[in-house]
Order: sequence, then structure tokens, then C-alpha cells
Amino acid sequence: SSELTQDPAVSVALGQTVTITCQGDGLRTYYAGWYQKKPGQAPLLVIYGRNNRPSGIPDRFSGSTSGNTASLTITGAQTEDEAAYFCNSPDSSGDHLFFGGGTSVTVL
Amino acid sequence: QVQLQQWGTGLLKPSETLSLTCGAYGGSLSGFFWTWIRQSPGGGLDWIGEINYSGRTIYNPSLKSRLSISVDTSKNQFSLRLTSVTAADTAEYYCARKRKSMSGLYYYFYMDVWGKGTAVTVSS
Repeated sequence: SSELTQDPAVSVALGQTVTITCQGDGLRTYYAGWYQKKPGQAPLLVIYGRNNRPSGIPDRFSGSTSGNTASLTITGAQTEDEAAYFCNSPDSSGDHLFFGGGTSVTVL
Repeated sequence: QVQLQQWGTGLLKPSETLSLTCGAYGGSLSGFFWTWIRQSPGGGLDWIGEINYSGRTIYNPSLKSRLSISVDTSKNQFSLRLTSVTAADTAEYYCARKRKSMSGLYYYFYMDVWGKGTAVTVSS
């Protein structure tokens, strides 16, 4: 299956750490990409590859993979991190891309 | 750094054809895949399809019968055409640049540059 499964929502206290997971068979072969999505804005790439951050993404964002599960961790969450986060990976052929259903992160 | 600017029809009636174009400014189309992605109201992100500089296309199987993506290298643009639209096609549509790389035994793909989005509404 190429489906990617994410928990729908999670909350975190300001300054604390939160980990979002993404499960799927394709993650045994491909690293996930992680995107931050805020209302009215285009998705923003925050993590790609093994654990790479694009220029301008704070180092409180990190990624990891184990087996069929990719994780995005925000260490010291800030109010501006409140958003939906989507993982992304292709199917086994590498041709067709899939997104997880998204995890809404609330910073309390 | 390349920037993507997108434009197209925002309000359609059922059965009409959706047309969107995305221009790449400050960089070449060569060496990348250029994708279309949409987000329906209250929904998640859905990959629509993509094209490379040479015109090789890959489509989401669920849209393939209605979808056409083309590239105009002379204008540094790529376009989406979706026929016979219904209310289910109402969404925010984004163009994006897709990159492919490898680390160890893993490949990975990511969209690092995005257009601002175009709101498309299908309503009678």
C-alpha cells in the first residue's frame, strides 16, 4: 500500500517538544518530505531527505525514519509553529506521490 | 532562487475545463519535475501530476482520464488542463518544483518551491 497515515491532531505546550509520525510501506524505501501548511499560505517544506532543513527553517525542526515510520519533531515549539503538517512520499514505483492526511498542531 | 507564479480560471461551471499555468522565474525548468497539487476545502493535499523539461508526464491515476499537463520551454512555463470538472474539483491548486535525490539506500523527493496557489471553485 502507498497510503500514508498521520494522526489528525496533536497539541503541545509552548516551548515543549512534539513529535508527529507518518506511517506507510513506502517509507521503507523513500525518505518522507514534511510540509507546514497554514491557512491562506502555500505549503512550506520543513524537512526533506534523511534530516535536511531548507534554508530559513529553524533548527528546532528535525526528522527521522525507522522502519515504515517517519517522524517530524519540533523541539521547543513556538506559537508560529501552529499549523497543519503533511508528510509526503512516493509509491513503490517512485512515480506517484502521496501525502498523509495531515496533523494539526496546536501550541498551547 | 526560482519563483513560481501561477494564474488561471478561478470560477467554473460543472463540465467546463480548468486551465492553469505556472511560470518559473529566475531559474530553468531543466533538471526538475514540475508538479501540480491541490487542497480541497477542509481537506488534505493531493498530488495531481507532474511533467519534466522533456515533456514526460506522470498523472494521478484517479484524474488521468481528464488530465493533461504540458510544458512550454520557450516561455519557461507549464500548464494544467482538467476537463469535465465537478464540484469535487473545487480546491486550492498549487504548482511546485519537485526534486529527487538519494542518501544511502534511500531515494527521496521533495517540493522545495511553490506557487502561491489559485482558488478554483466549480459551481452551477
